[in-house]
Amino acid sequence: DAGITQSPRYKITETGRQVTLMCHQTWSHSYMFWYRQDLGHGLRLIYYSAAADITDKGEVPDGYVVSRSKTENFPLTLESATRSQTSVYFCASTWDRGKEQFFGPGTRLTVL
Amino acid sequence: KQEVTQIPAALSVPEGENLVLNCSFTDSAIYNLQWFRQDPGKGLTSLLLIQSSQREQTSGRLNASLDKSSGRSTLYIAASQPGDSATYLCAGTSYGQNFVFGPGTRLSVLP
Repeated sequence: DAGITQSPRYKITETGRQVTLMCHQTWSHSYMFWYRQDLGHGLRLIYYSAAADITDKGEVPDGYVVSRSKTENFPLTLESATRSQTSVYFCASTWDRGKEQFFGPGTRLTVL
Repeated sequence: KQEVTQIPAALSVPEGENLVLNCSFTDSAIYNLQWFRQDPGKGLTSLLLIQSSQREQTSGRLNASLDKSSGRSTLYIAASQPGDSATYLCAGTSYGQNFVFGPGTRLSVLP
């Protein structure tokens, strides 16, 4: 499918488990982003990547790990999930930072 | 730290009305500004992008403008329709920085 996709769309896990959220884009955009959206906080940047093998922290990176071995993929891993990481996670991409961003459909994660 | 305010937080209007949504940044040095629409349970859909050399953008019934001297943007929706009901978010970036998002305005257009 063309565009940007995320999987899974819904995930329920338990505290302490490792969870990986996947993001895939077909535009060969250089930049990719992970955000979380919570009531009362809006959208907050977790990590971003300027290119393959280049990643950097955003506003709320603690408890998350990212990698980007291929331009089209940008997985987000919660190494030991906590209840505070219950949220909706969005992946986005663009060809240059500050340019028009395109968002995936989101992953709703619940940590019990 | 850049912070974004959107006013009003929620708005309910009858179908056919013209309306204005507001967005303001604490740091007025906005390089690019993007407006999004988000339907319940969905991702963000890009509506308009105002780039550094521009002051406004138009798409159909939507018009967005940016006053760089004050760091304020408005999204004008003409002849509103029930299908326009959604949350509208603005996001701005300073040069070389990542976008910062506003909390959104929840719009309901009543038939």
